[in-house]
Amino acid sequence: ETGVTQTPRHLVMGMTNKKSLKCEQHLGHNAMYWYKQSAKKPLELMFVYNFKEQTENNSVPSRFSPECPNSSHLFLHLHTLQPEDSALYLCASSQQADLGTEAFFGQGTRLTVV
Amino acid sequence: TQLLEQSPQFLSIQEGENLTVYCNSSSVFSSLQWYRQEPGEGPVLLVTVVTGGEVKKLKRLTFQFGDARKDSSLHITAAQPGDTGLYLCADERTNAGKSTFGDGTTLTVKP
Repeated sequence: ETGVTQTPRHLVMGMTNKKSLKCEQHLGHNAMYWYKQSAKKPLELMFVYNFKEQTENNSVPSRFSPECPNSSHLFLHLHTLQPEDSALYLCASSQQADLGTEAFFGQGTRLTVV
Repeated sequence: TQLLEQSPQFLSIQEGENLTVYCNSSSVFSSLQWYRQEPGEGPVLLVTVVTGGEVKKLKRLTFQFGDARKDSSLHITAAQPGDTGLYLCADERTNAGKSTFGDGTTLTVKP
């Protein structure tokens, strides 16, 4: 238990569906992150939120839409995804985005797009 | 853009053997972190090294940071099946939380 909880753990969705991934942290951190982990590729940073403000969008397609309503919650809204978007989506949090401190990861959501 | 290369990509050994995995960067690390990711879980931080030449030990794991801060190694003594997992190195940059991960070494320790 890292203090970062992701739901759902597994998700299968069609290309025309709309779904959302949820992340919640109970660590009092101010920075939250979305990563994508695909087979045979390094962990890819997608989005960074620091004090609820988005500070990084790593050239992510608009079919992925993040939302950070407060420092404890982070969402990733998904729509019209492609099969190549199938991957493990990891959420992480840290004390603050510009301090280089430890990132705590959730267990991830295994997404399959059919 | 910084590139992190980890080697070997896959490693399968018997319980009790020793092993070393490596992480090399195309540029100087801000600070280097090693994570372990077990199947079905997210990565968990093992150690952070900051100073060139630094050596840190965590039970049977020894982490070494190169003098020039461009490479690092992780040595495991007397590996156990519980050491099985994906070992990732990362440069935890302080610039807006961006971090670069290597593609990892998948370690399998057979009983």
